Amino acid sequence: GAVVSQHPSRVICKSGTSVKIECRSLDFQATTMFWYRQFPKQSLMLMATSNEGSKATYEQGVEKDKFLINHASLTLSTLTVTSAHPEDSSFYICSATQSNQPQHFGDGTRLSIL
Amino acid sequence: GDSVTQMEGPVTLSEEAFLTINCTYTATGYPSLFWYVQYPGEGLQLLLKATKADDKGSNKGFEATYRKETTSFHLEKGSVQVSDSAVYFCALSANSGGYQKVTFGIGTKLQVIP
Repeated sequence: GAVVSQHPSRVICKSGTSVKIECRSLDFQATTMFWYRQFPKQSLMLMATSNEGSKATYEQGVEKDKFLINHASLTLSTLTVTSAHPEDSSFYICSATQSNQPQHFGDGTRLSIL
Repeated sequence: GDSVTQMEGPVTLSEEAFLTINCTYTATGYPSLFWYVQYPGEGLQLLLKATKADDKGSNKGFEATYRKETTSFHLEKGSVQVSDSAVYFCALSANSGGYQKVTFGIGTKLQVIP
């Protein structure tokens, strides 16, 4: 079946650092990729939707200058958390889809900001 | 907008007990319905799905039936195992601007004790 790889799976860094998370579709071309954030004991909240070659669409309340999304190719999207602070610590999950097909999820990235 | 309501956990059951996790939804049109499972420290895995009314999704002993009249998609398993301990998310997927947008429920934590 369709596979989505997310890297890194875990990252710990100091406050003020920028962190990049990669999401790759390994065996299909992902026309659309999604980024979700999961707070402890809560559901997944959609942060943004990105289509290859165009600007991402951010959900209400998500700072686009804080969470930079790039979808430069049909197999790769990146999320960069800029100048990360402890409140940005969370579990981030990406998903990818092709045309009008179901989303396939990555394994997530646990981000911890000290 | 679309929404998914599922029972809040945690749900604690003894091994071999019967499991029901309730899920109801509101949506315009005809969404697809899903159950995802998240094991500790991992990403989401698709457990089962149903794409139209009266469809029954099943996998690993779990099953759920798409009930349009009650807008429900309750998850059931006849005999749970310790290895079923995880968080279960009910979700719906509907067409939004040319792609399938997924809306998640809050997640229900299941703990199965020996």
